[in-house]
Amino acid sequence: NAGVMQNPRHLVRRRGQEARLRCSPMKGHSHVYWYRQLPEEGLKFMVYLQKENIIDESGMPKERFSAEFPKEGPSILRIQQVVRGDSAAYFCASSLSQVTTNEKLFFGSGTQLSVL
Amino acid sequence: GQQLNQSPQSMFIQEGEDVSMNCTSSSIFNTWLWYKQDPGEGPVLLIALYKAGELTSNGRLTAQFGITRKDSFLNISASIPSDVGIYFCAGQAWERAQKLVFGQGTRLTINP
Repeated sequence: NAGVMQNPRHLVRRRGQEARLRCSPMKGHSHVYWYRQLPEEGLKFMVYLQKENIIDESGMPKERFSAEFPKEGPSILRIQQVVRGDSAAYFCASSLSQVTTNEKLFFGSGTQLSVL
Repeated sequence: GQQLNQSPQSMFIQEGEDVSMNCTSSSIFNTWLWYKQDPGEGPVLLIALYKAGELTSNGRLTAQFGITRKDSFLNISASIPSDVGIYFCAGQAWERAQKLVFGQGTRLTINP
């Protein structure tokens, strides 16, 4: 976990508000991945980004969710008009190069989103 | 989509006992990974398996990549209190290596 920084650790939002989750990858890593974990479940892939590019967003809900990884600054996962079902732990991971089956992912400590 | 079935869902054991958990898949994976997650933290990689039939150890942990590429097991020997947590298997396929497919987890509780 060391090195991948996520903030905030806990985020509380009311229904209809926006949630912005930030992820700073490990130093030197330019590939970022977002996963979501519902209670009592395993993590599920959402999106894979390289600097300024979305490579694979096949796990992202079609509406309200977006992700970016700008040239400067952290990666942002944005959830607009949150609903109770969005309550989950959101994890970011990073890798040095494009992930292969030999390239390990390093996960952050996550952001716990609670929607009231 | 691809699914992993991980069992058991939970285990309650005495300190010093050995632990065994496994994962099965409906499809083939090229890599099997085992993670441990502590409360409020992200998953930490324990063991990675890259070849069918491979048996790998990391201290008291031993894991194997099934010969059919559709299953894997993790054994923990002589459990200690710090082994408490949730263990996840994850499969990874070449064609979409960024998309780890996770099992539902095995929650390990140890009575001292």
